[in-house]
Amino acid sequence: EVQLVESGGGLVKPGGSLRLSCAASGFTFSNAWMNWVRQAPGKGLEWVGRIKSNTDGGTTDYAAPVKGRFTISRDDSENTLYLQMNSLKAEDTGVYYCTTAGAMIGVVKWLLGVWGQGTLVTVSS
Amino acid sequence: DIVMIQSPDSLAVSLGERATINCKSSQSVLYSSNNKNYLAWYQQKPGQPPKLLTYWASTRESGVPDRFSGSGSGTDFTLTISSLQAEDVAVYYCQQYYNTPLTFGGGTKVEIK
Repeated sequence: EVQLVESGGGLVKPGGSLRLSCAASGFTFSNAWMNWVRQAPGKGLEWVGRIKSNTDGGTTDYAAPVKGRFTISRDDSENTLYLQMNSLKAEDTGVYYCTTAGAMIGVVKWLLGVWGQGTLVTVSS
Repeated sequence: DIVMIQSPDSLAVSLGERATINCKSSQSVLYSSNNKNYLAWYQQKPGQPPKLLTYWASTRESGVPDRFSGSGSGTDFTLTISSLQAEDVAVYYCQQYYNTPLTFGGGTKVEIK
């Protein structure tokens, strides 16, 4: 069974840092393009960024609001995705989801077919 | 960035009746080389992560009931629930995967009338 489990969320002060993790299982993590998507309380979905598989270059793309502050990385030996968040702002508050194509990888690598349950990040003084 | 606009923001439909959600993109998401629309629909129930319903605008994900159907091409798309069931109460989002940044519509909340 494909599974994504996020961790690392919590309360942090504005200007602070936090690192989220996403543990993956049930699929070949090293082949997957991995994404972070967030959702502010009571609001819609916002794509944060993604990292391609190393075989596809391992490059990253970010949404404009987080570019320069957030960094996505991966450890294929541990089947884990990371999101390093620096210079956090109140507007970064929300649930952060790890998501990937899963079984859809044969369709489009960047489809969001499988989602974790999310981890809550609260930025407040 | 491709902007996705959904309408309506919310709708209330009687059980067994049809629900129709619209989605418009600020530019075409039809890729000419393969004639595919890079448009997906998701369902999100309270307290749960989103669930992929359809991709390529009209292809249902495995296990999705056939009362859910997607249609449209280019910039205008529709998700139809042919006969609303109680378990369909949720927020529905369209999303383009034509290019980055991947962008979502604002969501449509579907409730029972």
